[in-house]
Amino acid sequence: LAKTTQPISMDSYEGQEVNITCSHNNIATNDYITWYQQFPSQGPRFIIQGYKTKVTNEVASLFIPADRKSSTLSLPRVSLSDTAVYYCLVGDRRAAGNKLTFGGGTRVLVKP
Amino acid sequence: DSGVTQTPKHLITATGQRVTLRCSPRSGDLSVYWYQQSLDQGLQFLIHYYNGEERAKGNILERFSAQQFPDLHSELNLSSLELGDSALYFCASSDGTSNQPQHFGDGTRLSIL
Repeated sequence: LAKTTQPISMDSYEGQEVNITCSHNNIATNDYITWYQQFPSQGPRFIIQGYKTKVTNEVASLFIPADRKSSTLSLPRVSLSDTAVYYCLVGDRRAAGNKLTFGGGTRVLVKP
Repeated sequence: DSGVTQTPKHLITATGQRVTLRCSPRSGDLSVYWYQQSLDQGLQFLIHYYNGEERAKGNILERFSAQQFPDLHSELNLSSLELGDSALYFCASSDGTSNQPQHFGDGTRLSIL
């Protein structure tokens, strides 16, 4: 499984855009990149998944450069309720018996 | 609401005891995954079941076991409990065996006294 590295924590302010970059230098050809959000004492919540270039949904965008060795989760105009831990995961979407390997995540604190 | 239901929400017991945690996956999901999250620790994958069959094991202790029933609900059995087993236990489900997004329940908080 590809190892991921992301910042331990980030601070931001309401209304700003938050960008979290995840490094995954040994990503394999069939690996997808998935981001989850976790609030205290709650289960992780799927945010977005992508393979290359850019993916956008109603809550976030995911930017993946051509070499796919990193990815950036972009949260537009954050609010206080976006304070959470964000996890980047890389894995083969086709793999049976998938074992999601969560790293330490990035703790995002949104200030008023 | 993820659609994944875990019971009980909280469980307090003593060392040496045995407990059973229950998970009902989202409607239509065949895969169930169990994870452990200790205080200030990341989530550790324990085990994966697909349509009643074990598919993968992670860092699951021999004192722990799980099963998935014909109605697709799953149970995680923890025995000979130790203080270090205190953690949040999450169940997740997905629609198949591939790395489709997993949908997590809100967990069972297990406290060992």
